[in-house]
Amino acid sequence: QVQLVESGGDLVKPGGSLRLSCAASGFTFSIYYMTWVRQAPGKGLEWLGHISGTDNFVFYADAVKGRFTISRDNAKNSLFLQMNNLRVEDTAVYYCARWNVGPLDFWGQGTPVTVSS
Amino acid sequence: DVVLTQTPVSSLVTLGQPASISCRSSQSLVHSDGNTYLSWLQQRPGQPPRLLIYEISRRFSGVPDRFSGSGAGTDFTLIISRVEPEDVGTYYCMQGTQLCSFGQGTKLEIK
Repeated sequence: QVQLVESGGDLVKPGGSLRLSCAASGFTFSIYYMTWVRQAPGKGLEWLGHISGTDNFVFYADAVKGRFTISRDNAKNSLFLQMNNLRVEDTAVYYCARWNVGPLDFWGQGTPVTVSS
Repeated sequence: DVVLTQTPVSSLVTLGQPASISCRSSQSLVHSDGNTYLSWLQQRPGQPPRLLIYEISRRFSGVPDRFSGSGAGTDFTLIISRVEPEDVGTYYCMQGTQLCSFGQGTKLEIK
C-alpha cells in the first residue's frame, strides 16, 4: 500500500534553515510528480510546489520561491524540502503528497515546523 | 493564479440529512487535454487530508457512495447525500489544472 512518511520538523529560530524528508513506499516513486503542501495552525491548505518524476522540473508557489527548494532521490524513494531564511509565518504542518495527474491522491501524516525565537 | 472560493464557510447539518458545498473558480478549470482537474478533499480533525473526489465526479477508492461531485467549467459542488458522524471535518476543493490551489475550506459540523 502507498505510504508517505515525513520527518525533519523541528523548532527553529527566524532566519534559520531546515530540511524535511518524505519517505515513500508501496508504489513506483520515480514515475510520479510529488508535492509539498503546508497548513498553518487553524488555517487551510497551501500548495508549496511540485517536482516531476525523473527530469527534475520543479514548480514553486510565489510565497516560497527563492527560499525553499524541492528535490528528490529516486534511488532512495525520498522527497526533500530545503527551507532557508525561515520566518515566523512558515510555522505549519508540512505534508508531502503524491500528484496523480491532477489530484493529490495520497498524503503523509505531516511533520510540524515551528519558527520562533 | 487560480482562486477557488468555497461556500459556505461552515455548515451545521442534521444527521441523515444532505449537505452541499460549492466551489467557484476564478477561471475555467478545463485543461488543454480536455479534462477538468477539480478534486475534493476531506480533513477530519487531527488528520491529514484525504482524497474523496477527483476530475469533478470520480470517487476515489474506498470513498462511500454518499459522496458525489458535479459541475463544469468554473462551478462545482460536493454533495453528501446523508451526513454521518464520521463526516465531521473540513472539506477543501482543489484544482490541478494550473499548477495547484485550494479553496479556503468548509467546516462541516453535526447538529
